[in-house]
Amino acid sequence: EAGVTQFPSHSVIEKGQTVTLRCDPISGHDNLYWYRRVMGKEIKFLLHFVKESKQDESGMPNNRFLAERTGGTYSTLKVQPAELEDSGVYFCASSYGEKLFFGSGTQLSVL
Amino acid sequence: RKEVEQDPGPFNVPEGATVAFNCTYSNSASQSFFWYRQDCRKEPKLLMSVYSSGNEDGRFTAQLNRASQYISLLIRDSKLSDSATYLCVVQKKGGSYIPTFGRGTSLIVHP
Repeated sequence: EAGVTQFPSHSVIEKGQTVTLRCDPISGHDNLYWYRRVMGKEIKFLLHFVKESKQDESGMPNNRFLAERTGGTYSTLKVQPAELEDSGVYFCASSYGEKLFFGSGTQLSVL
Repeated sequence: RKEVEQDPGPFNVPEGATVAFNCTYSNSASQSFFWYRQDCRKEPKLLMSVYSSGNEDGRFTAQLNRASQYISLLIRDSKLSDSATYLCVVQKKGGSYIPTFGRGTSLIVHP
């Protein structure tokens, strides 16, 4: 069974550019979460989808971040325009019950 | 006060040692508790759930103290391969059901 996949694994962009991260959850997992880890800090919640609906987006830093989940399948997280403080590792996780399955993350570097 | 607090360490122990980590949580409505393990530059993976009665999985024992709002992880007979960051995760049942992560405790097991 395929796990959670994220693309790209690394992205280096300049301040002001746009980047779109993609997450393909495990098939059948209704819950999809986006998290971010900034170096030296804890993994912080960004938002939660249940199927195609945003259940909770209280962790989204600001309106430069836009997440979508098309048809309740894969999800995208777009950052536009990117700022220096957006650098970090963006993890996607999916679940059917309580156990979270994580993707390997996207390392985003904004220069 | 952070919702989930952990001593970041690092805990530096020799092979064969017993080591224990604690994690405190601030939200008394928290219902589910987990330990995740994260290897360097990898995604977090579930190590074990933490039950009210305490639970054991091989060399690993997890305990929950609801009155004092902390959970613990005990590792006996440490192996070199146990070197990793151990993340405490707390969830509330119902509602948006967001897993909240601690900063993690770094363990280094040396020969």
